[in-house]
Amino acid sequence: QVQLQQWGAGLLKPSENVSLTCAVHGGSFRDYYWKWIRQPPGKGMEWIGEISHSGSTNYNPSLKSRVTILLDRSKNQFSLKLNSVTAADTAVYYCARGDYGGNQGYGMDVWGQGTTVTVSS
Amino acid sequence: SYELIQPPSVSVSPGQTASITCSGDNLGDKYVCWYQQKPGQSPVLVIYEDNKWPSGIPERFSGSNSGNTATLTISGTQVMDEADYFCQAWDSNTAVFGGGTKLTVL
Repeated sequence: QVQLQQWGAGLLKPSENVSLTCAVHGGSFRDYYWKWIRQPPGKGMEWIGEISHSGSTNYNPSLKSRVTILLDRSKNQFSLKLNSVTAADTAVYYCARGDYGGNQGYGMDVWGQGTTVTVSS
Repeated sequence: SYELIQPPSVSVSPGQTASITCSGDNLGDKYVCWYQQKPGQSPVLVIYEDNKWPSGIPERFSGSNSGNTATLTISGTQVMDEADYFCQAWDSNTAVFGGGTKLTVL
């Protein structure tokens, strides 16, 4: 059974860059899309972006200018980098697996445990 | 940008049927997924492709989607079903989530 384990810096100052990593245990990247989603305190979910098993990316237009998602096949990990953070980027960040076979209707069926990112001066 | 609208809260008595709606323009033309999230936990996919169950999800969870509204129905609601529920769909190759509905079972 596939499990996702994520980690990264939790406290940042405005204008810094946040980097998060998600390790895929018990499976490979094949056939799925690998995603990042965030949830501000007390609010709903926001999709950040995704990367396919072949390395193609798709980002939320509202964040596209600041986001990079990468795949590291040698470590079975994928990562998120968000540049120039502000207080509005404070959220719990989740990695997730989804869209088996490229089918967006398949949903996000495996989630990481979440990483709290706080942006404060 | 595309929006999915959910009621902030729904209440139901144990054993009764709970219905949570998700509204969006021509939502019936898109696939809808539903996620359950309990406090302090990661979301869990409970319905995909409008009305299909992921492995391990009880059949008391069901979904429908037509017109502008998708509905998550929980039959014989149990106390353990108390959680936040989010709908999600795709528009212009961007995943969109509803604001979430807090289901209270009392």
